[in-house]
Amino acid sequence: DGGITQSPKYLFRKEGQNVTLSCEQNLNHDAMYWYRQDPGQGLRLIYYSQIVNDFQKGDIAEGYSVSREKKESFPLTVTSAQKNPTAFYLCASSRSPSKEAFFGQGTRLTVV
Amino acid sequence: AQSVTQPDIHITVSEGASLELRCNYSYGATPYLFWYVQSPGQGLQLLLKYFSGDTLVQGIKGFEAEFKRSQSSFNLRKPSVHWSDAAEYFCAVVASGDTGFQKLVFGTGTRLLVSP
Repeated sequence: DGGITQSPKYLFRKEGQNVTLSCEQNLNHDAMYWYRQDPGQGLRLIYYSQIVNDFQKGDIAEGYSVSREKKESFPLTVTSAQKNPTAFYLCASSRSPSKEAFFGQGTRLTVV
Repeated sequence: AQSVTQPDIHITVSEGASLELRCNYSYGATPYLFWYVQSPGQGLQLLLKYFSGDTLVQGIKGFEAEFKRSQSSFNLRKPSVHWSDAAEYFCAVVASGDTGFQKLVFGTGTRLLVSP
């Protein structure tokens, strides 16, 4: 079945550590996105990519990094520079930025 | 900058009653608009979309939305709500970023509670 897979579902990070969240899609979509969701704040865009080897900062990119070496994959690294990383992270993809996006099931990151 | 506003944070509706969730957008040209639904701890599911043409759009699960350019609105409606509709609903618009690339921008969401 085609879809978007995020892993892991739950992730715990110690302060000062970098962690990488995985996002893989087999929908042959060109565009991919990372969103952060906090209670009462909706979805805020971290990074997005329209094509392989290219990506743009979203509204809250500080403390995060991404790569887009393959069309199917768009991993997100939460670095130690991100001061408040505890949140629910959602990955999405779309055929193009002007088309509907499809979402993964999310990764809940908790700093311990 | 293009944006989406969902003025209602929470709405409570009785089961079987009608529902209308509000969404206002800020965009100069004809916008591409979407409504998504999210159950707790899950990803988002697309309910319906508007690109152009007929201003009344039908979606899944019995939902519909009407695009009104004069009011810059794209409100979501359902004639009879079921308990399983309790979830969070997000309106979204395709917007242009600072570099000209397009991106999907979401409202802050409306949480729907369904009472017996």
